[in-house]
Amino acid sequence: LAKTTQPISMDSYEGQEVNITCSHNNIATNDYITWYQQFPSQGPRFIIQGYKTKVTNEVASLFIPADRKSSTLSLPRVSLSDTAVYYCLVGYTDKLIFGTGTRLQVFP
Amino acid sequence: NAGVTQTPKFRILKIGQSMTLQCTQDMNHNYMYWYRQDPGMGLKLIYYSVGAGITDKGEVPNGYNVSRSTTEDFPLRLELAAPSQTSVYFCASSYLGLAGTYNEQFFGPGTRLTVL
Repeated sequence: LAKTTQPISMDSYEGQEVNITCSHNNIATNDYITWYQQFPSQGPRFIIQGYKTKVTNEVASLFIPADRKSSTLSLPRVSLSDTAVYYCLVGYTDKLIFGTGTRLQVFP
Repeated sequence: NAGVTQTPKFRILKIGQSMTLQCTQDMNHNYMYWYRQDPGMGLKLIYYSVGAGITDKGEVPNGYNVSRSTTEDFPLRLELAAPSQTSVYFCASSYLGLAGTYNEQFFGPGTRLTVL
């Protein structure tokens, strides 16, 4: 069974750029890659989505190489409020596979 | 719009009891999903629905049942509660396809279930 893999945790300081990578083998040709943010006791919240190359919105960028076997979420200039768990979600045919999640801790 | 709402917020069940977790969305989304999240873990898909009258199993469907009689509602049924079903349950909805298409999901606030 295919799965996605992310680092368990990352630490950063306010104002730094943070890059979180997700590995996803056997991604289907038409599948999209989506990243979510989750705070304690809340449901996940959509951050960004892409298919290939680079996507940017007002809060993040998503980099996807040509082979699409991985993706990198980039958070520019993080703040304390970005402390959360970040998940990548890849559409695998008839199943949705969430990554294990990366716990990001931002320090002052 | 209220988005995705779930009731109850908390529930304690005894082993063998049954209950229904309610989920309603007011965004006219065709796709709806149920996930469970165990402490410190990621989300696992239990069941999903691509429209009224159509449901399918996800990654961990055993011990659960669902129905989708309307676009808005997608209840999750636990028939014989077991301690292994202690978890936080999230309902979500999205407008387009399950795989291979744009799939931004909107999540509800969750239901925290404890089975003793």
